[in-house]
Amino acid sequence: AQSVTQLGSHVSVSEGALVLLRCNYSSSVPPYLFWYVQYPNQGLQLLLKYTTGATLVKGINGFEAEFKKSETSFHLTKPSAHMSDAAEYFCAVRASNFGNEKLTFGTGTRLTIIP
Amino acid sequence: DAGVIQSPRHEVTEMGQEVTLRCKPISGHDYLFWYRQTMMRGLELLIYFNNNVPIDDSGMPEDRFSAKMPNASFSTLKIQPSEPRDSAVYFCASSLVLQEWRDSYNEQFFGPGTRLTVL
Repeated sequence: AQSVTQLGSHVSVSEGALVLLRCNYSSSVPPYLFWYVQYPNQGLQLLLKYTTGATLVKGINGFEAEFKKSETSFHLTKPSAHMSDAAEYFCAVRASNFGNEKLTFGTGTRLTIIP
Repeated sequence: DAGVIQSPRHEVTEMGQEVTLRCKPISGHDYLFWYRQTMMRGLELLIYFNNNVPIDDSGMPEDRFSAKMPNASFSTLKIQPSEPRDSAVYFCASSLVLQEWRDSYNEQFFGPGTRLTVL
């Protein structure tokens, strides 16, 4: 079984400051990990993903995340926050075995950018 | 590509009424997912289909909920009878499984959602 814990349901950062959104996972098999972003009144959009290979993955809009197996973490970062980054962010996990397409989402972190 | 299309975008109904939500996946995608999002429970997977066949419906909350996929371009989620606790945003997502390696990977593309309010 897979599960995800996102620490902090609300995070506020100043414009230009570092963004750090935390995600820890639990998985009985090697995981695939994802970050999705949801803007108000919209569906979810994929930011980035980790499947295999390089543990530091880069996504859209300047975001990146690092898969750390020893810490069971997949934290999302961005060096400099922009006002347009204000949204809700979801970490998700699925098992890497073929045929299991089920994504399990965390409860989300709402990111507020302070001008 | 128009993306995943959901209708209606908003639905307000009274308790006891039947509600039908509709989804048109991205053309060529072979997986379709139905999710429910609430403040209390977050984003939950209700059911997903592969090539129009239900694969996992363990997230369907109770018998009042049913989902069908009669063809590759259309799916419905029906609630009958509806209750106030069914009020939520319902998302449909679709994906294409890429079998480039032994393991598969898919990106799920989400529709804009249907906001359901049951009075």
